[in-house]
Amino acid sequence: GAGVSQSPSNKVTEKGKDVELRCDPISGHTALYWYRQSLGQGLEFLIYFQGNSAPDKSGLPSDRFSAERTGGSVSTLTIQRTQQEDSAVYLCASSLQGTFGANVLTFGAGSRLTVL
Amino acid sequence: AQTVTQSQPEMSVQEAETVTLSCTYDTSESDYYLFWYKQPPSRQMILVIRQEAYKQQNATENRFSVNFQKAAKSFSLKISDSQLGDAAMYFCALLETSGSRLTFGEGTQLTVNP
Repeated sequence: GAGVSQSPSNKVTEKGKDVELRCDPISGHTALYWYRQSLGQGLEFLIYFQGNSAPDKSGLPSDRFSAERTGGSVSTLTIQRTQQEDSAVYLCASSLQGTFGANVLTFGAGSRLTVL
Repeated sequence: AQTVTQSQPEMSVQEAETVTLSCTYDTSESDYYLFWYKQPPSRQMILVIRQEAYKQQNATENRFSVNFQKAAKSFSLKISDSQLGDAAMYFCALLETSGSRLTFGEGTQLTVNP
């Protein structure tokens, strides 16, 4: 696609429910990132996928968070048993390569999650 | 661990004037990239400008330029001839050679007054 597509744009859920957020990166981009942006805060790294390598999951805040990337393309971020502190905008980004050299990250418009 | 600090939560500028946004960072590496991203209310992060640490010349993109002071670990963004469309949250970010993650500052909310 022409850009990074994320869905849903907005999601309201009840505490304790599971949610899935989807990211469709730019075609051909091998690297994919998930970031979390809480209200008034900067971007917090969650997870990074690069090709067939094992993902860097070091930013996931708890074991309630998980992510998959199927076929090297679409990624799904899953939050189980959501808590109110999970409320944030979840941003996905992709780049042509993950290595230094800098490939610029292209971001999606994000998914705003509200946990009641 | 790398850190990025933006000490100005909010800034304002008159239309057509110049404004400078500050950013400092910390890294133990000698090779890295620095970026400024803009985030308008649409939430879409847009790359404004980037700087390679090994280059001494400051990057410039039209009305946007940086003042990169490697020894001081400072990376400020200057916006000349500010326009109403420049109003947004601006994030400074650091990418180290050895890592894969982009580390962001807390952001500076820029208001452009007509």
